[in-house]
Amino acid sequence: NAGVMQNPRHLVRRRGQEARLRCSPMKGHSHVYWYRQLPEEGLKFMVYLQKENIIDESGMPKERFSAEFPKEGPSILRIQQVVRGDSAAYFCASRESNQPQHFGDGTRLSIL
Amino acid sequence: QKEVEQDPGPLSVPEGAIVSLNCTYSNSAFQYFMWYRQYSRKGPELLMYTYSSGNKEDGRFTAQVDKSSKYISLFIRDSQPSDSATYLCAMSVGSYGGSQGNLIFGKGTKLSVKP
Repeated sequence: NAGVMQNPRHLVRRRGQEARLRCSPMKGHSHVYWYRQLPEEGLKFMVYLQKENIIDESGMPKERFSAEFPKEGPSILRIQQVVRGDSAAYFCASRESNQPQHFGDGTRLSIL
Repeated sequence: QKEVEQDPGPLSVPEGAIVSLNCTYSNSAFQYFMWYRQYSRKGPELLMYTYSSGNKEDGRFTAQVDKSSKYISLFIRDSQPSDSATYLCAMSVGSYGGSQGNLIFGKGTKLSVKP
C-alpha cells in the first residue's frame, strides 16, 4: 500500500521561474494538506484541500502561491516568480475521514 | 508567545535509556495531539495520536496529555540507536476530519541514542 508520493524530491529553480510540486495522496484519501518547513523552523500549515475544493488556505501567501486538487490526478502546489525566500522543504499530507494525517517525504526546493 | 513550544535539544542518551520529550502549548482549544518522528531528509512519520487528556501506550512508546497544564509528553523506553531522529509534537483544534484539522507543530527535538 503506497504511501503519500511527492515529486520531484528535489527541485532547483532560478529567481523568477515557476515551481510546480506534485502530491499523490494515499489510496482512498480525499483530504490533502500542504506544509512548508524552513531551515531551523517547524512545519507550517499552508493549505487544506479536498477533491476539487480548497477548504482552508489561511496559511498560504496571498501572492504567487496557488494549490489545486483536481478530480483526477495529483494535488499541485504552484509557486510563480520564485524568490530566494521560497527555498524550503514542502510536505504534503493526506488522510481519510476522521484519521490522522500521513506525510510524504517532501520536495526540497532550492532557488538560485 | 508561540502556540507550541518544544525544546530543540539536541538530546543525547545512551542505548537503553528512557527518553522523555515534551511540548507546551498556549491554545486551550487544542484537543488532538500527535507525535511524529522525522529522519533526516524524510517526511514526518506518525508515531502516536491521542484525543484530550490521558495516557496512551504503544510498544516502547507512551504519550501523555495534561490539558490542565497544557503539557504533552512522549516517553521512549529501552531506547535504540534506530530511534535517533527529530521528534515533532503536533496538535489541532478540530478533529482529524474537521476543517480545523490543520496541524500546529513544535520545532522538533533532535534525539541521538548512542550505542
